[in-house]
Amino acid sequence: AQKITQTQPGMFVQEKEAVTLDCTYDTSDQSYGLFWYKQPSSGEMIFLIYQGSYDEQNATEGRYSLNFQKARKSANLVISASQLGDSAMYFCAMRENNNNDMRFGAGTRLTVKP
Amino acid sequence: DVKVTQSSRYLVKRTGEKVFLECVQDMDHENMFWYRQDPGLGLRLIYFSYDVKMKEKGDIPEGYSVSREKKERFSLILESASTNQTSMYLCASSRRQTEKLFFGSGTQLSVL
Repeated sequence: AQKITQTQPGMFVQEKEAVTLDCTYDTSDQSYGLFWYKQPSSGEMIFLIYQGSYDEQNATEGRYSLNFQKARKSANLVISASQLGDSAMYFCAMRENNNNDMRFGAGTRLTVKP
Repeated sequence: DVKVTQSSRYLVKRTGEKVFLECVQDMDHENMFWYRQDPGLGLRLIYFSYDVKMKEKGDIPEGYSVSREKKERFSLILESASTNQTSMYLCASSRRQTEKLFFGSGTQLSVL
């Protein structure tokens, strides 16, 4: 079964600085997708960014970028110029293209300090 | 925009009760999912369905069952609720295997 590991239960970052949230995954499939979601205190799950396993370039969406290192099976989320509103739980997830399911990591709670 | 609606935001039930959690999506998605979310454990997959009347077990199906009689509706059933099933339950849907999930707002279930 696929496995997602987020080793940082909590992270702190100063406002306006960049922060990297770690994610490693385990799969024997060659074709898969990696996702990051944000969950603020309101509880809603907000999709942030997607990276396909065959994408040659790292995905970017505004202040979010995904540092994809396929050989190391890592898919770290980089948030640039942190804002107070970035304080939330962040979840990494993977979906193998041969399967219909999606599995998540345990999450990282990010706190942005003013 | 896709809308995934969970019938209750908060639910309080007694041990041993049969509990139904309902989820409806309005975008004709094939895939639907039930997760539970617990602090420190992230989201754990209970069951998912890739078509009407089709279901597959996730990582923690024990104590749960599901029903998908119509494409838009996916129900999670706790046959006999127990206190260790107190949790936040999240429903999600997606169109295809490679696509992101759209989530409902969650149901916080407390079993007393």
